[in-house]
Amino acid sequence: TQLLEQSPQFLSIQEGENLTVYCNSSSVFSSLQWYRQEPGEGPVLLVTVVTGGEVKKLKRLTFQFGDARKDSSLHITAAQPGDTGLYLCAGLKTNTDKLIFGTGTRLQVFP
Amino acid sequence: SAVISQKPSRDICQRGTSLTIQCQVDSQVTMMFWYRQQPGQSLTLIATANQGSEATYESGFVIDKFPISRPNLTFSTLTVSNLSPEDSSIYLCSVRPRLGAQRGYTFGSGTRLTVV
Repeated sequence: TQLLEQSPQFLSIQEGENLTVYCNSSSVFSSLQWYRQEPGEGPVLLVTVVTGGEVKKLKRLTFQFGDARKDSSLHITAAQPGDTGLYLCAGLKTNTDKLIFGTGTRLQVFP
Repeated sequence: SAVISQKPSRDICQRGTSLTIQCQVDSQVTMMFWYRQQPGQSLTLIATANQGSEATYESGFVIDKFPISRPNLTFSTLTVSNLSPEDSSIYLCSVRPRLGAQRGYTFGSGTRLTVV
């Protein structure tokens, strides 16, 4: 069973629209990372959130870590075709180096 | 951050055969991992490759099917044995950054395996 559930699973939107991706778990993680993966490549880190309630911004992307460190969200403002890809949240289990990935959200942004 | 070279990038194999995937890192790293990504899905951790000792496998993965070697701090191999069509996936190696996990893990570009 997947420890981290992402929603939605698929998202197709027009350029300029806003969107939010959710990453939920019943487990507590020491930190949570968001990655983006494009076809033929490995995932690439977008951000790491560590503290419960933490909010980080990366240009048009806003990441939030839940107060209880069990869930996170990614909000994209004014999506662009270049944002197209597979978005993955990944939790670092406490006292381990194992990175456990969420179920993934495949985003397509049409011009 | 570390740079990973993963080979081969893709292969088509007959069922019943085996495929060995190589992962070469440009610097010494303590933690190396192998993941599987089934078509259209997310990444599932197969095992942690331990230098000088047996790999640590996750639930559902066994050494006989996925033998792993880690002869030194810059290199690891994953073999997928006795191939069946269900093994068709992308296999990726990953390393934890030396300065801490929070800096993000680095991944190889993956090996796309098709079993016919």
